[in-house]
Amino acid sequence: AQRVTQPEKLLSVFKGAPVELKCNYSYSGSPELFWYVQYSRQRLQLLLRHISRESIKGFTADLNKGETSFHLKKPFAQEEDSAMYYCALSGKTNAGKSTFGDGTTLTVKP
Amino acid sequence: DAGVTQSPTHLIKTRGQQVTLRCSPKSGHDTVSWYQQALGQGPQFIFQYYEEEERQRGNFPDRFSGHQFPNYSSELNVNALLLGDSALYLCASSLRVNSYEQYFGPGTRLTVT
Repeated sequence: AQRVTQPEKLLSVFKGAPVELKCNYSYSGSPELFWYVQYSRQRLQLLLRHISRESIKGFTADLNKGETSFHLKKPFAQEEDSAMYYCALSGKTNAGKSTFGDGTTLTVKP
Repeated sequence: DAGVTQSPTHLIKTRGQQVTLRCSPKSGHDTVSWYQQALGQGPQFIFQYYEEEERQRGNFPDRFSGHQFPNYSSELNVNALLLGDSALYLCASSLRVNSYEQYFGPGTRLTVT
């Protein structure tokens, strides 16, 4: 069964501080991992995908298969990073079926 | 391009009634997926439509059904509504059935009383 766990419901940091949003997953196989973001009054949008190995808006995420984790990191948080973040996974054979975590609300204080 | 659009924005129904939600995919996209998002939870996959057929289904009862039209737009139907069906229903479209990149709509907020 596919499962995504985001252990922190809420995370608060000060502007300029490093931020790490945790994501652990359970999947029998090689999953595709994603981070989605939802800013206030906006729709859910893809932030980054592990296979692309891109850095989007300064965020990076490394897939650790040994620890089954896909934590999202940013070295210097900005106030505009305040949003809800969802970790999600899909299987290689069922690309359109994403399993989401319950999200972490990030607040970056000035 | 307005992206993925959904209608209506909000809906209030009574327990036992039936409801139909609508979704138009992003221009050029041919695959539509539906998700249910209960308050305080992440989106939960309901089903996916491609070429007017249901391709994948999540763990939802048969009360949840769908349809895709030749223009790729889609409907989600829920019969015999329960209080627990109250949620935000999200539609997502993608370029191909095996594409990982999904574009989400703003959602339809369904309240069952």
